Amino acid sequence: QLQLQESGPGLVKPSETLSLTCTVSGGSISSNTYYWGWIRQPPGKGLEWIGSIYYSGNTYSNPSLKSRVTISVDTSKNQFSLKLSSVTAADTAVYYCARHEAAGTGDYWGQGTLVTVSS
Amino acid sequence: NFMLTQPHSVSESPGKTVTISCTRSSGSIASNYVQWYQQRPGSSPTTVIYEDNQRPSGVPDRFSGSIDSSSNSASLTISGLKTEDEADYYCQSYDSSSFWVFGGGTKLTVL
Repeated sequence: QLQLQESGPGLVKPSETLSLTCTVSGGSISSNTYYWGWIRQPPGKGLEWIGSIYYSGNTYSNPSLKSRVTISVDTSKNQFSLKLSSVTAADTAVYYCARHEAAGTGDYWGQGTLVTVSS
Repeated sequence: NFMLTQPHSVSESPGKTVTISCTRSSGSIASNYVQWYQQRPGSSPTTVIYEDNQRPSGVPDRFSGSIDSSSNSASLTISGLKTEDEADYYCQSYDSSSFWVFGGGTKLTVL
């Protein structure tokens, strides 16, 4: 059974960079079928796609966040990572990682991790 | 880029049928698959419908999905409502420029 687990600091100061890692277990991240994505959900609000990466390193990002988002993959560790720069309180959210087909569904999701932006 | 618009909330009684709509702002709803996710409080989203009208194993056949090109929208229909269906529901689709897009979510209340 595939499992995804987010990890990283739960508190980030304004203007700093948020860094999260998603560790994939029970399957390989080097699949030519799937993308690996980051999605966030501010408290009490809806889901927002942040960006996704293919195992080859091709990345896709939400245009509204693109200038601040870096997504990378480490196939040797079966992990992919998110960096979001210049954070503000508006970036406070539960951050999820998920596996998905490009045009299809996100079939496996992590449990999510709350990141709070505050001084 | 396109947007997906959902009603903010819907409510219905147990045993009844409810339909949640998801309207695509530009481009054809039929051009890319629509998925529907259920999210209960404190939990990650789970797929209830994928590829417009397919149910993952384990999802009851009370859940069904459809698309309507005339209104450029997708719909999630839940029949025989149960209190356990009370949750937030999100539609999601794709295009090559926006990649992944979520609707704003609909809160379903079963009362």
